[in-house]
Amino acid sequence: ETGVTQTPRHLVMGMTNKKSLKCEQHLGHNAMYWYKQSAKKPLELMFVYNFKEQTENNSVPSRFSPECPNSSHLFLHLHTLQPEDSALYLCASSQDRADEVTEFGPGTRLTVL
Amino acid sequence: EDKVVQSPLSLVVHEGDTVTLNCSYEVTNFRSLLWYKQEKKAPTFLFMLTSSGIEKKSGRLSSILDKKELFSILNITATQTGDSAVYLCAVEAYYNTDKLIFGTGTRLQVFP
Repeated sequence: ETGVTQTPRHLVMGMTNKKSLKCEQHLGHNAMYWYKQSAKKPLELMFVYNFKEQTENNSVPSRFSPECPNSSHLFLHLHTLQPEDSALYLCASSQDRADEVTEFGPGTRLTVL
Repeated sequence: EDKVVQSPLSLVVHEGDTVTLNCSYEVTNFRSLLWYKQEKKAPTFLFMLTSSGIEKKSGRLSSILDKKELFSILNITATQTGDSAVYLCAVEAYYNTDKLIFGTGTRLQVFP
């Protein structure tokens, strides 16, 4: 059982909806990440938080808004998404850096209608 | 632009076969190369390679890095159906220790 949990596991939303994805880790890690995996594309890094501070925003559109209230929780707020945003959204954590053993969550399968 | 290219994109073999997966990269200030196995959803960590010529092994899996020729291979011997997965290669660069650049992955299917 992974130490990183994500909810919901599946989400279907319309383009005008507002929803949030939640990620939680109980590993004592200091770094947390949001990744997007679309079909037939490389895994894309979206956001990085280290000690609750955002250290990277990988040119992600503003309709995706991350929030990290503490080092164990990470949210991804979604607003006015497009159908091309449909993908698997993976949360991950590592002790401090991305090249350390990174634990991934099970992902949220998002479908935007 | 930094990039990671994996080949083949897809591979179908029978149980007992040996497979070699390739990962080549072009990255400024290379730091490390990582292999992940992705089944169904979340990738799981396999190996991290930082030095050339030093093979890392875990059971039937092994991997080696060539920093001169800028590539790595992942070998799986005596494949089993449980090895069926997407194998992802990722590279980290020195200028940003928070960033991993992923390849598209190799989809391996092992049939009985």
